[in-house]
Amino acid sequence: DTAVSQTPKYLVTQMGNDKSIKCEQNLGHDTMYWYKQDSKKFLKIMFSYNNKELIINETVPNRFSPKSPDKAHLNLHINSLELGDSAVYFCASSKTTGTSETQYFGPGTRLLVL
Amino acid sequence: SQQGEEDPQALSIQEGENATMNCSYKTSINNLQWYRQNSGRGLVHLILIRSNEREKHSGRLRVTLDTSKKSSSLLITASRAADTASYFCATATSGTYKYIFGTGTRLKVLA
Repeated sequence: DTAVSQTPKYLVTQMGNDKSIKCEQNLGHDTMYWYKQDSKKFLKIMFSYNNKELIINETVPNRFSPKSPDKAHLNLHINSLELGDSAVYFCASSKTTGTSETQYFGPGTRLLVL
Repeated sequence: SQQGEEDPQALSIQEGENATMNCSYKTSINNLQWYRQNSGRGLVHLILIRSNEREKHSGRLRVTLDTSKKSSSLLITASRAADTASYFCATATSGTYKYIFGTGTRLKVLA
């Protein structure tokens, strides 16, 4: 059973389009995250939710809007896609917000904006 | 600038050799974690070392932490081809919820 799953795995789209990435975890965790990994493999946190409440909101363009319908799901909607949004987006979850918690990562969504 | 920086950026060794990679960070931390990322996959947690610990072992992994130098090292002993991956350190700054990841060390183990 996949612990943290993301869909789609690959996303190729034109500049200016709006797209969504979905994430689901079946670990019973309270906390979920979105990370962006650029072409140099630098992994940067974007958002974190704990029990459907936003707790981390890094300096991310407001074209990016996360949504957590329940604590097992965290989706990411991106409006007006730009070339610079091309990256791999990882969803992760942890039991709680504590920084001693292990984070469990999904397989990533490879977004290419043309 | 990013919190964790790994060194070297890339490392190529023969199977059976030991691999050492280092991580430096800038601020006070609660703990430090190491993660592995196989090509095209998500990160997998390897080990966590708390700020009051100096050394920790897990199987073929040995992690050290020197808070006075703000650095950590990950040693993989008797490396195998399957250890080929990128290795990231992640630091949790005291008083925050979030981990900051470094850019990783790309390890290649040649059979």
